[in-house]
Amino acid sequence: AQSVTQLGSHVSVSEGALVLLRCNYSSSVPPYLFWYVQYPNQGLQLLLKYTSAATLVKGINGFEAEFKKSETSFHLTKPSAHMSDAAEYFCAVSDPTSGTYKYIFGTGTRLKVLA
Amino acid sequence: DGGITQSPKYLFRKEGQNVTLSCEQNLNHDAMYWYRQDPGQGLRLIYYSQIVNDFQKGDIAEGYSVSREKKESFPLTVTSAQKNPTAFYLCASSISRAMRQPQHFGDGTRLSIL
Repeated sequence: AQSVTQLGSHVSVSEGALVLLRCNYSSSVPPYLFWYVQYPNQGLQLLLKYTSAATLVKGINGFEAEFKKSETSFHLTKPSAHMSDAAEYFCAVSDPTSGTYKYIFGTGTRLKVLA
Repeated sequence: DGGITQSPKYLFRKEGQNVTLSCEQNLNHDAMYWYRQDPGQGLRLIYYSQIVNDFQKGDIAEGYSVSREKKESFPLTVTSAQKNPTAFYLCASSISRAMRQPQHFGDGTRLSIL
């Protein structure tokens, strides 16, 4: 079955430092991959998506992610953290070949940005 | 602006009571989903619907029921059979069975037990 693993339930970075949030998926075929951000008591907002075009995907708010098939990874990065980036981040995957029409979510990574 | 509206934002349930969470979308999306979010557990799928008058159980459907009588609406009922209903509930929609498109989310309903 399709699954998503996010390493690190909590990540802390200093303001201005590199942000790296990890996501690995399990699938025999390349799935579609998504990163979402969630602020407290709100829904999820799409940051970026990979749908088998370019492997380096740029999203909103300066975030980007690189799809690496050999590593089954889709890590999220941002060169310089801002205080407003403090939130919870979710990686999600859909498998168009599964026939189940489900999206599978990781357990989330809470990002803390230190002044 | 198009989007998903969930109501109410906060809801309290008494013992033995059924409560219904509303989800309405004006995005003309075919598919709609309900998720439950608990701290540290990510999003767990309760029910989903690909077309009107059809829906499927997700991973944690016990104690919940849904209907899809209109394309725009996908209400979730938390029944008295759900013994641990306290959670944050999120409704989402997506454009079609083309799974390359992301989901759009409402702002959630927080359900608590009185």
